[in-house]
Amino acid sequence: NAGVTQTPKFQVLKTGQSMTLQCAQDMNHNSMYWYRQDPGMGLRLIYYSASEGTTDKGEVPNGYNVSRLNKREFSLRLESAAPSQTSVYFCASSYTGGTEAFFGQGTRLTVV
Amino acid sequence: GENVEQHPSTLSVQEGDSAVIKCTYSDSASNYFPWYKQELGKRPQLIIDIRSNVGEKKDQRIAVTLNKTAKHFSLHITETQPEDSAVYFCAASPIRMDSSYKLIFGSGTRLLVRP
Repeated sequence: NAGVTQTPKFQVLKTGQSMTLQCAQDMNHNSMYWYRQDPGMGLRLIYYSASEGTTDKGEVPNGYNVSRLNKREFSLRLESAAPSQTSVYFCASSYTGGTEAFFGQGTRLTVV
Repeated sequence: GENVEQHPSTLSVQEGDSAVIKCTYSDSASNYFPWYKQELGKRPQLIIDIRSNVGEKKDQRIAVTLNKTAKHFSLHITETQPEDSAVYFCAASPIRMDSSYKLIFGSGTRLLVRP
């Protein structure tokens, strides 16, 4: 039982490049989330998915797109990376509202 | 939407003393309030949570209090130990009809417990 798994763990991109961050959970959770963590700013919600087939914007969605591929997988795409997107990205999942959210190990992304 | 403010941003205490971290939230519809601990280089992990129908909850040395009227909640750690040193995040969320929730975090408190 791996929990929430993110790939890759580290990535360096050049400005304007695109990439997809992958996230998968094996806990049969309904809801999945993408956060970014910047120094002094806590965890900010980018997008979330209440259930398979639905996605909603969070606090900072600009510059990102998401896909809830199936119940297990929720990917985050940067179409044209910018230095302002340098951050640590966390995926999380929970069974339903008001229950514990489990986080992946994070992806450290640097855009140069 | 929901906005969560957390204070202080840093907190240094002597081992054995108590630590208190406070958060305020803006959305009166919020009814779920978890606290997460994040050690250096690690992922955030839940340490305690409280729902709006409860005013206080304890788990060994950790307690959380909630004042819905004032829209604030606090984390209390008693008899602090060096291993309590970490960044602590509060969060707030309304639970929507579809059972999802937009979990919004505070900016974090870096707690240092001095031996």
